[in-house]
Amino acid sequence: GDSVTQMEGPVTLSEEAFLTINCTYTATGYPSLFWYVQYPGEGLQLLLKATKADDKGSNKGFEATYRKETTSFHLEKGSVQVSDSAVYFCALSVSSGTYKYIFGTGTRLKVLA
Amino acid sequence: ETGVTQTPRHLVMGMTNKKSLKCEQHLGHNAMYWYKQSAKKPLELMFVYSLEERVENNSVPSRFSPECPNSSHLFLHLHTLQPEDSALYLCASSQGTGVYYTEAFFGQGTRLTVV
Repeated sequence: GDSVTQMEGPVTLSEEAFLTINCTYTATGYPSLFWYVQYPGEGLQLLLKATKADDKGSNKGFEATYRKETTSFHLEKGSVQVSDSAVYFCALSVSSGTYKYIFGTGTRLKVLA
Repeated sequence: ETGVTQTPRHLVMGMTNKKSLKCEQHLGHNAMYWYKQSAKKPLELMFVYSLEERVENNSVPSRFSPECPNSSHLFLHLHTLQPEDSALYLCASSQGTGVYYTEAFFGQGTRLTVV
């Protein structure tokens, strides 16, 4: 079935370090791909999205490219800040009778000053 | 007003209680979802409503009962819960037709503790 696999956390980085969080997916058809972020005590907020192969989503310095050949959607940021500390979720959308969103387990990021 | 509002934010209930979670979306969307978020587990999709009709029920125990009276409101009625039902319950909405929908917009969640 459709699924999302993302790297285990937690990921601990120093401020201004480079961030990569890996995400791979399994899906039939042509899913849209998303990264969501969850801050403590909050719901999920959309960070970026890509709707077709080779699309690059970007927002707030974060980027991810939809790679159909490797079924991946890795999240990157060139220079993280303490305020980026949160849990990041990779997700895909599938339409098979109903339309729904499938999420990975989440990766906790901690950025140290 | 935030796009998707959930109430209450926190709920503590005994195993014999009956309570309801409420979700309201102000985005004009036509699909709404309930997800369960437990520690160290992926988000679990519980229910999907499209145009107020339940279109998916992912083998959720009958002690959880959803209700969607209109396209803006979604409820989750709870009764005789178990301690393992303690979790963050998230409501989401999206807009679309056919095979294309927008991204999902989430509420802030209800933190449920069953004692």
